[in-house]
Amino acid sequence: NAGVTQTPKFRILKIGQSMTLQCTQDMNHNYMYWYRQDPGMGLKLIYYSVGAGITDKGEVPNGYNVSRSTTEDFPLRLELAAPSQTSVYFCASTGEGYNEQFFGPGTRLTVL
Amino acid sequence: AQSVAQPEDQVNVAEGNPLTVKCTYSVSGNPYLFWYVQYPNRGLQFLLKYITGDNLVKGSYGFEAEFNKSQTSFHLKKPSALVSDSALYFCAVRDPPYSGAGSYQLTFGKGTKLSVIP
Repeated sequence: NAGVTQTPKFRILKIGQSMTLQCTQDMNHNYMYWYRQDPGMGLKLIYYSVGAGITDKGEVPNGYNVSRSTTEDFPLRLELAAPSQTSVYFCASTGEGYNEQFFGPGTRLTVL
Repeated sequence: AQSVAQPEDQVNVAEGNPLTVKCTYSVSGNPYLFWYVQYPNRGLQFLLKYITGDNLVKGSYGFEAEFNKSQTSFHLKKPSALVSDSALYFCAVRDPPYSGAGSYQLTFGKGTKLSVIP
Protein backbone atom coordinates (compact mmCIF):
# COMPACT_ATOMS: atom_id res chain seq x y z
CA ASN A 1 0.00 0.00 0.00
CA ALA A 2 1.20 3.48 -0.85
CA GLY A 3 -0.93 4.95 1.95
CA VAL A 4 -1.81 8.62 1.48
CA THR A 5 -0.18 10.35 -1.47
CA GLN A 6 -0.21 14.05 -2.31
CA THR A 7 0.79 15.97 -5.41
CA PRO A 8 2.51 18.28 -6.05
CA LYS A 9 5.18 18.43 -3.34
CA PHE A 10 5.96 22.08 -3.98
CA ARG A 11 4.20 24.87 -5.85
CA ILE A 12 4.58 28.60 -6.28
CA LEU A 13 1.48 30.54 -7.31
CA LYS A 14 0.89 34.14 -8.21
CA ILE A 15 -1.87 36.06 -6.46
CA GLY A 16 -5.20 35.32 -8.10
CA GLN A 17 -4.17 32.06 -9.72
CA SER A 18 -5.99 28.83 -9.00
CA MET A 19 -4.82 25.29 -8.44
CA THR A 20 -5.87 21.88 -7.17
CA LEU A 21 -3.96 19.92 -4.57
CA GLN A 22 -4.41 16.23 -5.13
CA CYS A 23 -4.83 13.61 -2.40
CA THR A 24 -5.30 9.88 -2.90
CA GLN A 25 -5.44 7.01 -0.42
CA ASP A 26 -5.43 3.30 -1.19
CA MET A 27 -6.61 2.01 2.20
CA ASN A 28 -10.34 2.18 1.43
CA HIS A 29 -10.82 4.74 4.21
CA ASN A 30 -14.14 6.54 4.40
CA TYR A 31 -12.84 9.57 6.30
CA MET A 32 -10.51 12.09 4.69
CA TYR A 33 -9.22 15.47 5.85
CA TRP A 34 -7.33 18.52 4.68
CA TYR A 35 -5.18 20.49 7.10
CA ARG A 36 -2.93 23.47 6.79
CA GLN A 37 0.15 23.90 8.95
CA ASP A 38 1.55 27.31 9.74
CA PRO A 39 4.63 27.86 11.95
CA GLY A 40 3.75 27.88 15.64
CA MET A 41 0.07 27.31 14.92
CA GLY A 42 -0.20 23.56 14.75
CA LEU A 43 -2.58 22.01 12.22
CA LYS A 44 -5.91 23.58 11.33
CA LEU A 45 -8.68 21.57 9.68
CA ILE A 46 -9.85 23.06 6.37
CA TYR A 47 -12.40 20.52 5.11
CA TYR A 48 -13.26 16.92 5.76
CA SER A 49 -15.29 14.13 4.22
CA VAL A 50 -17.00 11.14 5.84
CA GLY A 51 -17.55 9.33 2.56
CA ALA A 52 -17.92 9.72 -1.18
CA GLY A 53 -20.24 12.61 -1.96
CA ILE A 54 -20.20 14.00 1.59
CA THR A 55 -18.00 16.93 2.60
CA ASP A 56 -18.12 19.54 5.33
CA LYS A 57 -16.25 22.62 6.50
CA GLY A 58 -13.59 22.55 9.15
CA GLU A 59 -12.15 25.39 11.17
CA VAL A 60 -10.61 27.44 8.31
CA PRO A 61 -12.54 26.76 5.06
CA ASN A 62 -12.54 30.25 3.52
CA GLY A 63 -10.80 30.40 0.16
CA TYR A 64 -10.94 26.64 -0.41
CA ASN A 65 -13.29 24.08 -1.93
CA VAL A 66 -13.32 20.30 -1.98
CA SER A 67 -15.09 17.44 -3.68
CA ARG A 68 -15.25 13.72 -3.03
CA SER A 69 -16.48 11.78 -6.03
CA THR A 70 -14.67 8.56 -5.11
CA THR A 71 -13.54 6.89 -1.90
CA GLU A 72 -9.90 7.23 -2.94
CA ASP A 73 -9.61 10.89 -3.96
CA PHE A 74 -10.15 14.12 -2.06
CA PRO A 75 -8.83 17.12 -4.02
CA LEU A 76 -8.54 20.59 -2.49
CA ARG A 77 -9.19 23.56 -4.75
CA LEU A 78 -7.84 27.09 -4.33
CA GLU A 79 -9.77 29.43 -6.63
CA LEU A 80 -8.12 32.83 -6.11
CA ALA A 81 -4.80 32.36 -4.39
CA ALA A 82 -3.85 34.89 -1.73
CA PRO A 83 -0.58 35.32 0.22
CA SER A 84 -2.45 34.22 3.36
CA GLN A 85 -2.74 30.77 1.79
CA THR A 86 1.01 30.29 1.85
CA SER A 87 1.31 27.20 4.01
CA VAL A 88 2.03 23.50 4.10
CA TYR A 89 -1.03 21.41 3.31
CA PHE A 90 -1.55 17.90 4.62
CA CYS A 91 -4.13 15.34 3.63
CA ALA A 92 -5.06 12.55 6.04
CA SER A 93 -7.42 9.60 6.17
CA THR A 94 -8.84 7.10 8.61
CA GLY A 95 -11.30 4.26 8.55
CA GLU A 96 -13.63 2.24 10.71
CA GLY A 97 -11.70 0.28 13.27
CA TYR A 98 -8.91 2.84 13.40
CA ASN A 99 -8.64 5.78 15.73
CA GLU A 100 -5.52 7.47 14.43
CA GLN A 101 -5.31 9.35 11.15
CA PHE A 102 -2.75 8.55 8.46
CA PHE A 103 -1.03 11.52 6.88
CA GLY A 104 0.39 12.25 3.45
CA PRO A 105 3.81 13.86 2.93
CA GLY A 106 2.40 17.34 2.40
CA THR A 107 2.36 20.06 -0.26
CA ARG A 108 4.35 23.24 0.35
CA LEU A 109 2.53 26.15 -1.31
CA THR A 110 3.85 29.67 -1.69
CA VAL A 111 1.67 32.49 -3.01
CA LEU A 112 3.56 35.56 -4.23
CA ALA B 1 -15.50 22.14 22.36
CA GLN B 2 -12.42 20.02 22.70
CA SER B 3 -8.97 21.58 22.97
CA VAL B 4 -5.36 20.64 23.50
CA ALA B 5 -2.58 22.69 25.04
CA GLN B 6 1.15 22.10 24.70
CA PRO B 7 2.61 24.62 27.14
CA GLU B 8 6.19 24.44 25.86
CA ASP B 9 7.15 25.69 22.42
CA GLN B 10 10.57 24.07 22.76
CA VAL B 11 12.17 21.45 24.96
CA ASN B 12 15.93 20.91 25.10
CA VAL B 13 17.39 17.76 26.59
CA ALA B 14 20.83 16.19 26.63
CA GLU B 15 21.31 12.90 24.82
CA GLY B 16 20.83 9.99 27.19
CA ASN B 17 18.65 11.96 29.60
CA PRO B 18 14.94 11.29 30.05
CA LEU B 19 12.59 13.55 28.13
CA THR B 20 9.06 14.75 28.75
CA VAL B 21 6.84 16.68 26.36
CA LYS B 22 3.74 18.02 28.06
CA CYS B 23 0.13 17.98 26.89
CA THR B 24 -3.12 18.87 28.61
CA TYR B 25 -6.57 18.49 27.14
CA SER B 26 -10.16 19.54 27.53
CA VAL B 27 -12.97 17.36 26.21
CA SER B 28 -16.44 16.34 27.28
CA GLY B 29 -16.58 12.66 28.01
CA ASN B 30 -13.76 10.16 27.77
CA PRO B 31 -10.85 11.42 25.70
CA TYR B 32 -9.22 9.74 22.75
CA LEU B 33 -5.65 11.08 22.82
CA PHE B 34 -2.78 10.85 20.35
CA TRP B 35 0.84 11.81 19.86
CA TYR B 36 2.34 12.44 16.45
CA VAL B 37 5.90 13.29 15.43
CA GLN B 38 6.99 15.39 12.47
CA TYR B 39 10.54 15.28 11.17
CA PRO B 40 11.77 18.20 9.04
CA ASN B 41 10.02 18.44 5.66
CA ARG B 42 7.98 15.32 6.36
CA GLY B 43 4.38 14.47 7.14
CA LEU B 44 3.08 13.51 10.57
CA GLN B 45 3.81 10.04 11.87
CA PHE B 46 1.63 8.37 14.48
CA LEU B 47 3.47 7.53 17.72
CA LEU B 48 0.87 6.27 20.17
CA LYS B 49 -2.68 6.63 21.41
CA TYR B 50 -4.80 6.33 24.52
CA ILE B 51 -8.32 5.05 24.08
CA THR B 52 -9.02 3.12 27.25
CA GLY B 53 -7.29 0.77 29.67
CA ASP B 54 -3.84 1.19 31.20
CA ASN B 55 -2.82 4.74 31.90
CA LEU B 56 0.70 4.10 30.61
CA VAL B 57 0.69 3.66 26.86
CA LYS B 58 3.69 2.42 24.92
CA GLY B 59 4.34 3.44 21.33
CA SER B 60 6.88 3.55 18.56
CA TYR B 61 10.61 4.32 18.89
CA GLY B 62 10.63 3.71 22.67
CA PHE B 63 8.17 6.48 23.47
CA GLU B 64 5.44 6.16 26.06
CA ALA B 65 2.75 8.45 27.41
CA GLU B 66 0.98 8.66 30.73
CA PHE B 67 -2.72 9.44 30.84
CA ASN B 68 -3.78 11.28 34.00
CA LYS B 69 -7.51 11.86 34.16
CA SER B 70 -7.49 13.99 37.30
CA GLN B 71 -4.90 16.37 35.82
CA THR B 72 -6.31 16.09 32.28
CA SER B 73 -2.81 15.43 30.99
CA PHE B 74 -1.20 13.10 28.49
CA HIS B 75 2.54 13.72 28.70
CA LEU B 76 4.93 12.06 26.26
CA LYS B 77 8.03 10.46 27.76
CA LYS B 78 11.14 8.54 26.84
CA PRO B 79 13.68 7.17 29.35
CA SER B 80 16.77 7.98 27.29
CA ALA B 81 16.73 10.62 24.52
CA LEU B 82 18.50 10.17 21.20
CA VAL B 83 19.72 12.92 18.87
CA SER B 84 17.48 11.34 16.23
CA ASP B 85 14.45 12.11 18.43
CA SER B 86 14.86 15.80 17.58
CA ALA B 87 11.63 16.75 15.83
CA LEU B 88 8.29 18.52 16.24
CA TYR B 89 5.78 16.70 18.44
CA PHE B 90 2.02 17.16 18.34
CA CYS B 91 -0.60 16.11 20.84
CA ALA B 92 -4.15 15.63 19.54
CA VAL B 93 -7.61 14.76 20.84
CA ARG B 94 -10.46 13.18 18.89
CA ASP B 95 -14.24 13.36 18.95
CA PRO B 96 -15.55 10.69 21.31
CA PRO B 97 -17.45 8.10 19.25
CA TYR B 98 -20.71 8.89 21.01
CA SER B 99 -20.49 12.64 20.42
CA GLY B 100 -22.74 12.45 17.40
CA ALA B 101 -20.27 14.29 15.18
CA GLY B 102 -19.27 11.09 13.43
CA SER B 103 -16.38 12.75 11.70
CA TYR B 104 -13.45 11.43 13.77
CA GLN B 105 -11.95 14.92 13.68
CA LEU B 106 -8.66 15.54 15.46
CA THR B 107 -7.89 18.76 17.31
CA PHE B 108 -4.15 19.41 17.50
CA GLY B 109 -1.97 21.32 19.90
CA LYS B 110 0.45 23.88 18.50
CA GLY B 111 3.38 21.52 18.70
CA THR B 112 6.56 21.29 20.78
CA LYS B 113 9.97 21.34 19.17
CA LEU B 114 12.25 18.81 20.84
CA SER B 115 15.99 19.32 20.52
CA VAL B 116 18.27 16.59 21.81
CA ILE B 117 21.77 17.91 22.36
CA PRO B 118 24.70 15.53 21.80
